[in-house]
Amino acid sequence: NAGVTQTPKFQVLKTGQSMTLQCAQDMNHNSMYWYRQDPGMGLRLIYYSASEGTTDKGEVPNGYNVSRLNKREFSLRLESAAPSQTSVYFCASSPGTGGSYEQYFGPGTRLTVT
Amino acid sequence: AQSVAQPEDQVNVAEGNPLTVKCTYSVSGNPYLFWYVQYPNRGLQFLLKYITGDNLVKGSYGFEAEFNKSQTSFHLKKPSALVSDSALYFCAVRDTSGGSYIPTFGRGTSLIVHP
Repeated sequence: NAGVTQTPKFQVLKTGQSMTLQCAQDMNHNSMYWYRQDPGMGLRLIYYSASEGTTDKGEVPNGYNVSRLNKREFSLRLESAAPSQTSVYFCASSPGTGGSYEQYFGPGTRLTVT
Repeated sequence: AQSVAQPEDQVNVAEGNPLTVKCTYSVSGNPYLFWYVQYPNRGLQFLLKYITGDNLVKGSYGFEAEFNKSQTSFHLKKPSALVSDSALYFCAVRDTSGGSYIPTFGRGTSLIVHP
């Protein structure tokens, strides 16, 4: 099993450009998440999808949109990139939300916005 | 509301010595507590979790953590550190008494093990 995969691994954008970060999991998990990681800030939740067909905002959703394409795939879109969105983005999945489930993380996408 | 604190940005320890990475939490009800490790340029990996039962939880790579309800702490420990343990460690908490069912992560502690 590949676990959680993310594409691309690296991306450089200019201010105002758009892009979509892709995430897929092959563990038949119901729940998927997008986080950003910034130095000294830890992990901050952007959006999550408790189950196929549902999405909800997390702590820092402004400037982002998501799509739960099917049970396997959960994409994150930046419509008009800003330098403040320079970060490392992680996708994660878990069997469900709540409960005692731990999360499984992808390798990350390192995004730079100039 | 749930929150978690990792009071040390960095912990330095010599190889072979015991290590402790600290975590304290705040919840309304009972906590579910998690530790994750992040190696350079990698995603987070699950180490161990406390749900209920024994206060001492054993996890991957020889790590263990002690749940202390009176001190609202969940410190990560290892009896003998290895240079390969050098990484970023995250504590996370979820409050079982309602509210958000998504865990809250701490800011992370960088563990440096010196040869």
